[in-house]
Amino acid sequence: EVQVSESGGGLVQPGGSLRLSCAASGFTFTNYAMTWVRQAPGKGLEWVSSITGSGDDTYYADSVKGRFLISRENSKNTLYLQMNSLRAEDTAVYYCAKESHEGLWFGDSWFDPWGQGTLVTISS
Amino acid sequence: QSVLTQTPSASGTPGQRVTISCSGSISHIRSNIVNWYQQLPGTAPKLLIYSNNQRPSGVPDRFSGSKSGTSASLAISGLQSEDEADYYCAAWDDSLNAWVFGGGTRLTVL
Repeated sequence: EVQVSESGGGLVQPGGSLRLSCAASGFTFTNYAMTWVRQAPGKGLEWVSSITGSGDDTYYADSVKGRFLISRENSKNTLYLQMNSLRAEDTAVYYCAKESHEGLWFGDSWFDPWGQGTLVTISS
Repeated sequence: QSVLTQTPSASGTPGQRVTISCSGSISHIRSNIVNWYQQLPGTAPKLLIYSNNQRPSGVPDRFSGSKSGTSASLAISGLQSEDEADYYCAAWDDSLNAWVFGGGTRLTVL
């Protein structure tokens, strides 16, 4: 069964850092791009970042560019999101999702499956 | 403010057909495929429709998707109480080099 599962969320003070992980199983991890999507409390879905299967190309939302870093360790079937200079507005449930292909172009891709999410709370 | 525009809410009675719309522009909806995600209360989003009108295995054929120009639609026929959820459209934006979502439509089954 194809599965992804996030971990690493928690309570962090403004300005702090946190690293999220996403463990993948049931598919050849290196063959698929991966994505992070977040959802602030009571709000809609917001794309955060994507990375190609090889890890060579990364993409970021303007709201996190320069503060967040997406990476992957294909030998461990694991996706990461390093979050620095955290702000109150970064408070959200963070989901990782598998893209439908390697990520040479995202125009014909989709997210499936999604993980259960991990809650990140930024507060003093 | 979401890049893709969805009506915030929709409703229907059991058995009815409801349609949820998603409008955008040439840089995303017109140029690329549209996908729909269903988020049941308290759960993670789930892929509902991909590539404009394709249903993943396990999704009932009561759900259908379509796209025309810079707009896409999700139709749910034979509405059931378990369809009460938030529905999101999404597409890749070639100009932004980013995924964009609609703001979501909350469907209420009366």
